[in-house]
Amino acid sequence: DARVTQTPRHKVTEMGQEVTMRCQPILGHNTVFWYRQTMMQGLELLAYFRNRAPLDDSGMPKDRFSAEMPDATLATLKIQPSEPRDSAVYFCASGSPGSTAFFGQGTRLTVV
Amino acid sequence: AQRVTQPEKLLSVFKGAPVELKCNYSYSGSPELFWYVQYSRQRLQLLLRHISRESIKGFTADLNKGETSFHLKKPFAQEEDSAMYYCALKGTGFQKLVFGTGTRLLVSP
Repeated sequence: DARVTQTPRHKVTEMGQEVTMRCQPILGHNTVFWYRQTMMQGLELLAYFRNRAPLDDSGMPKDRFSAEMPDATLATLKIQPSEPRDSAVYFCASGSPGSTAFFGQGTRLTVV
Repeated sequence: AQRVTQPEKLLSVFKGAPVELKCNYSYSGSPELFWYVQYSRQRLQLLLRHISRESIKGFTADLNKGETSFHLKKPFAQEEDSAMYYCALKGTGFQKLVFGTGTRLLVSP
């Protein structure tokens, strides 16, 4: 049963620290999404990649957030410096043309 | 631009009552519509997609292009249906998948 894997599951960090979240998409999927989930905003699309190239990162605050796919098996979302308002659950999802998106279990980030 | 609107943040019903979770969308092309469900602190799971025209766990949803809606319905709600439900839209050619803000369904005994 192929699944999207996200690490870490939980992260507590102090304001100003760098945070890196990792995602392993399902093998063979060529599209990767990063979403942020909060009570107020629901699921916001931060960025998405196809064939490792960023297609749209307009939902991401550029000054502190960055997303990359160093290879087809790894996607990263980095926040530097982190702020309390970044506290949320960050989901990664992967998919391919003709399929839907499959979600990871998320990284629950708390910035204190 | 793709946009999905779920007007209700919370829908509370009693067990056995009918349920309708509303979803409206905005998209200039031919969209694909989905409903995802998220049980407490779990990952989002696909519930159904409009092109499948199937019923999952008693839920159905019909795409109404005239009203640009994709409401989720179930005739008799069960307690285990309590969860967060998200409507999502995907544009042509696997464009980005955009979600609504979600509706929390609470089914009371």
